[in-house]
Amino acid sequence: AQSVSQHNHHVILSEAASLELGCNYSYGGTVNLFWYVQYPGQHLQLLLKYFSGDPLVKGIKGFEAEFIKSKFSFNLRKPSVQWSDTAEYFCAVGSLGTYKYIFGTGTRLKVLA
Amino acid sequence: GAGVSQTPSNKVTEKGKYVELRCDPISGHTALYWYRQSLGQGPEFLIYFQGTGAADDSGLPNDRFFAVRPEGSVSTLKIQRTERGDSAVYLCASSTGGQETQYFGPGTRLLVL
Repeated sequence: AQSVSQHNHHVILSEAASLELGCNYSYGGTVNLFWYVQYPGQHLQLLLKYFSGDPLVKGIKGFEAEFIKSKFSFNLRKPSVQWSDTAEYFCAVGSLGTYKYIFGTGTRLKVLA
Repeated sequence: GAGVSQTPSNKVTEKGKYVELRCDPISGHTALYWYRQSLGQGPEFLIYFQGTGAADDSGLPNDRFFAVRPEGSVSTLKIQRTERGDSAVYLCASSTGGQETQYFGPGTRLLVL
């Protein structure tokens, strides 16, 4: 069965620190990859996505993610976090031919001002 | 434009009761999805509609759960004989097609006492 692993459940950073959140998936075929963010009191919002092409994708608010096929990974990065980045981050995978997303368990990020 | 809307935002019911949760997708989106998110977990797929028909209902946990989308727009998720374990946030998402990016609503928080 397909699965998505997010290794960090809770991350605490100071403002201006760099961020990297890990995401690994288990599926051997073609995948679409997503990072969603949920700010406190808000609904899931798309941060960035990878369908094909350049494996380094840029999203909103300075976030980027790199798809490394050989490692089945799609890690999220941001060079300098802000207090407003405090949120829960979810990695999701959609495999070609199916329509459902498989989500990781999420990473709660807290950025200290 | 307007995003995905869900009503009610919160629902408290007693064990054994019947509940209906409503989803209004983004106008023009033909694909609609229901997910369930339990505490500390990522969203889990329940069912996918393309138009009026359920194209994939493999995520419905048992026959107490049923969903309809009679006119290809609004969808209702129906839960019979609710159990305490059904308590979760029920999320709806829509997209322009089965393989396209899913946009999520705010969810309905269901609490079964």
